[in-house]
Amino acid sequence: AQKVTQAQTEISVVEKEDVTLDCVYETRDTTYYLFWYKQPPSGELVFLIRRNSFDEQNEISGRYSWNFQKSTSSFNFTITASQVVDSAVYFCALSEAMNNFNKFYFGSGTKLNVKP
Amino acid sequence: SAVISQKPSRDICQRGTSLTIQCQVDSQVTMMFWYRQQPGQSLTLIATANQGSEATYESGFVIDKFPISRPNLTFSTLTVSNMSPEDSSIYLCSVDGTGLQTQYFGPGTRLLVL
Repeated sequence: AQKVTQAQTEISVVEKEDVTLDCVYETRDTTYYLFWYKQPPSGELVFLIRRNSFDEQNEISGRYSWNFQKSTSSFNFTITASQVVDSAVYFCALSEAMNNFNKFYFGSGTKLNVKP
Repeated sequence: SAVISQKPSRDICQRGTSLTIQCQVDSQVTMMFWYRQQPGQSLTLIATANQGSEATYESGFVIDKFPISRPNLTFSTLTVSNMSPEDSSIYLCSVDGTGLQTQYFGPGTRLLVL
């Protein structure tokens, strides 16, 4: 079974729209980290956020916000007032204490297209 | 976060040949990781490389096909051996943000095998 599921393969929005990228994870570990990475067309993976399993507080960073809910095993990512530069593939990832947090499980990614 | 560079950034190779990819970090790190990203796919961990020991390979990846070196705390190489078109991928190295349990990635090497 997949440990990280990103059900949305591709999303298209018009600039200034809000968009939420979904991430559902599966783990038996009680201690784990969740991540979001951005991969623009250049190919480099850019780290966006890390959240540990004991911290369910939502986080906001500029136009980005993250909603972590252990009850639904979800770690969703919202971009407010999207911009063309947000166009990229976004990956959610999980690491677990049982692997010393070294093995990252990546979701299949969501391609976001922001049109002007 | 660490600054990571990879060489080459891209290459086109003939089947049956080998390519060595270099990964350089601007600070000493304990662990380095090599990933493969096939076209339109997610990232798959190939192996974990610790300095001074043999790399640990994930299921489906073998040392004969993907030999890895880790001669010091700032450098690693991945060789893709006896290449076939199925090896066409982006190969990325990453390092752990020591003490932060976070991986930071290099810019990747885009490989096309003809």
